[in-house]
Amino acid sequence: DAGVTQSPTHLIKTRGQHVTLRCSPISGHKSVSWYQQVLGQGPQFIFQYYEKEERGRGNFPDRFSARQFPNYSSELNVNALLLGDSALYLCASSLEEGYGDEKLFFGSGTQLSVL
Amino acid sequence: AQSVSQHNHHVILSEAASLELGCNYSYGGTVNLFWYVQYPGQHLQLLLKYFSGDPLVKGIKGFEAEFIKSKFSFNLRKPSVQWSDTAEYFCAVNAGPGGGADGLTFGKGTHLIIQP
Repeated sequence: DAGVTQSPTHLIKTRGQHVTLRCSPISGHKSVSWYQQVLGQGPQFIFQYYEKEERGRGNFPDRFSARQFPNYSSELNVNALLLGDSALYLCASSLEEGYGDEKLFFGSGTQLSVL
Repeated sequence: AQSVSQHNHHVILSEAASLELGCNYSYGGTVNLFWYVQYPGQHLQLLLKYFSGDPLVKGIKGFEAEFIKSKFSFNLRKPSVQWSDTAEYFCAVNAGPGGGADGLTFGKGTHLIIQP
C-alpha cells in the first residue's frame, strides 16, 4: 500500500510569492494534518482537516490556509512568503478524527526554501 | 497550551549500551503521549504511545516508555541498543480525550548515534 505522498519534494520560492503544497493520504484515511518543521526543531502543528472541514488550527498567521477535497487529499497554501517560512512541511494522515490517541502516518515532506 | 522538553539533543552510545531519553511535558489535564522516530532517509513513524491504562508501554523494536504523571515525564528506554537505532527521536503530546484536533506538540528531538 502506498503511504502518505506529498508533492513537490522540493520547492524554491522568493519572498512575497504564493505556494501550494499537496498531500495524498493513505487510502481509507479521512483525516489530514499539516506540520511545519524548521531545521533543528520538532514539527509544529498547522492544521487538521477531517471530512473536508477544518477541525484544528495551530498558531500560524492567516497567510497559511488549507483545504481538504472529497477524495481526502489536501492542499496547504501559503501567501506572501517570508524568509522564515523556509522549512520542511509535513503532511500526516490518520483513519479518523478520534480522541487524539490515533496513530499518525507521516509523508516525507516538502522542503520549501524562500529566497 | 502544552509544551514538551527533551533534555538531550545529541546522544552517542556504543552498541549494547542501555538507553534512556528524557521527555517532560507541561499540561495540567489528561494527555496522550507519543514517541516518534525518524530513521535516516525515512519519514517519521510511531514508536509507541500512551493514552490510558498501564503507564509502562511497549513499542516496536524493543523500546518502552514509562508515563510518570507526578513528574510529567514520559522517558523512552531500551535495554540494549543496536547500530540500526541511530535516528532522530521525538517526544510528543496532545490533550486527551478529544485532543486530536489540536494536533501534536513535539519536542525538539534527540539525535541518537549508535557506534558499532
